[in-house]
Amino acid sequence: QVQLVESGGGVVQPGRSLRLSCAASGFTFSSYGMHWVRQAPGKGLEWVAVISYDVRNKYYADSVKGRFTISRDNSKNTLYLQMNSLRAEDTAVYYCAKDFSSGGGYYSDYWGQGTLVTVSS
Amino acid sequence: EIVMTQSPATLSVSPGERATLSCRATQSVSSSLAWYQQKPGQAPRLLIYGASTRATGIPARFSGSGSGTEFTLTISSLQSEDFAVYFCQQYKNWPLTFGGGTKVEIK
Repeated sequence: QVQLVESGGGVVQPGRSLRLSCAASGFTFSSYGMHWVRQAPGKGLEWVAVISYDVRNKYYADSVKGRFTISRDNSKNTLYLQMNSLRAEDTAVYYCAKDFSSGGGYYSDYWGQGTLVTVSS
Repeated sequence: EIVMTQSPATLSVSPGERATLSCRATQSVSSSLAWYQQKPGQAPRLLIYGASTRATGIPARFSGSGSGTEFTLTISSLQSEDFAVYFCQQYKNWPLTFGGGTKVEIK
């Protein structure tokens, strides 16, 4: 069965960096687009970034553009999110999610359980 | 950016009753609309894609309808496990955007 397991969350000071990872199993990881979606405490869902199966295409939300970088290692079945210049408003549970398609421009049919990132001094 | 607006914010329904949730887009998304269910402390779960196609394993009491800018998720007879928050998401244009959610609570 499809499994997505995020890691790397924690408490970080404003302006610092953090890298999240998402280990995938149960499907052919190299064939699907992958997303990061976040949810601030008590709030709704916010799409953050997507990467296509072949790394050629990446898109970001305006709120993170220039600060966050999505990447993947298909040999390790792992998705990453490098987060720099973190702000208090980046505090959220970060979910990785598998896209229905290879390109990543559709809906997410499987989600991980999320990892909490808290940005606070 | 396409803004998705869900209504009502909270819906109080008795078990066994029908629930009707709405989602509106600021411009046409055709049928590129998905619905998700989220229970407290859990990840979202895909319910509906293509505005009206149930995802694998989703019970028939969940149905989606609409196209363009107006969409509806209907739960025909609410079961105890259906009390949760429901989000719509458009995937017609970048950035992908979600509605603010509708909480379905026990009346």
